[in-house]
Amino acid sequence: QVQLQESGPGLVKPSQTLSLTCIVSGDSISSGSYYWSWIRQPAGKGLEWIGRVYTSGSTIYSPSLKSRVTVSIDTSKNQFSLNLNSVTAADTAVYYCARFRLSETNAFDIWGRGTMVTVS
Amino acid sequence: QSAPTQPASVSGSPGQSITISCTGTSSDVGGFNYVSWYQHHPGKAPKLMIYDVNKRPSGVSNRFSGSKSGNTASLTLSGLQAEDEADYYCSSYTSSSTWVFGGGTKVTVL
Repeated sequence: QVQLQESGPGLVKPSQTLSLTCIVSGDSISSGSYYWSWIRQPAGKGLEWIGRVYTSGSTIYSPSLKSRVTVSIDTSKNQFSLNLNSVTAADTAVYYCARFRLSETNAFDIWGRGTMVTVS
Repeated sequence: QSAPTQPASVSGSPGQSITISCTGTSSDVGGFNYVSWYQHHPGKAPKLMIYDVNKRPSGVSNRFSGSKSGNTASLTLSGLQAEDEADYYCSSYTSSSTWVFGGGTKVTVL
């Protein structure tokens, strides 16, 4: 079955760049049927959509994070990545990667288990 | 864009039905039929329960149902069970071609 696994540092210093990777197994990230997304959840708060990338490399980002975020895709490694620069304590959160299935569900149908990132 | 509004908490006894609302605007919930609902047990990956307002993915119990009226979408849990205790989030496509999540609702089974 399709699985997503986040990886990256659990601790990032303020003003530095948070970098995470999502490894996709069980399916090709090159399929034109999906968007690949990042979503986060600060402690005690709700989910926040960060942005998404398509197999072509096209991206769309949350307006509130657009100036600091980059999502990219590496089809050769079947993975996609998140870079968030100039981080502050407010960026401390559990970060999830998720697959958005176009047309069939128009929803985030597969999620990773999440990775905790602390900015301190 | 601000998050659709959900009640912070909803509770019910086993066997009862509860409904969670998700109130947005005409730029998100009211403007598109791309509303989905997710169940989230802490420490686990969120799970898709409803998509396209009222459709259930394969494997999701028919005790879960979705609807929408105007700018408000709703998730109804029928025949409440202990395992339904979790956080629930709505999500909607927006007129900016982005997605937005509701603030989340904690469901407690009494």
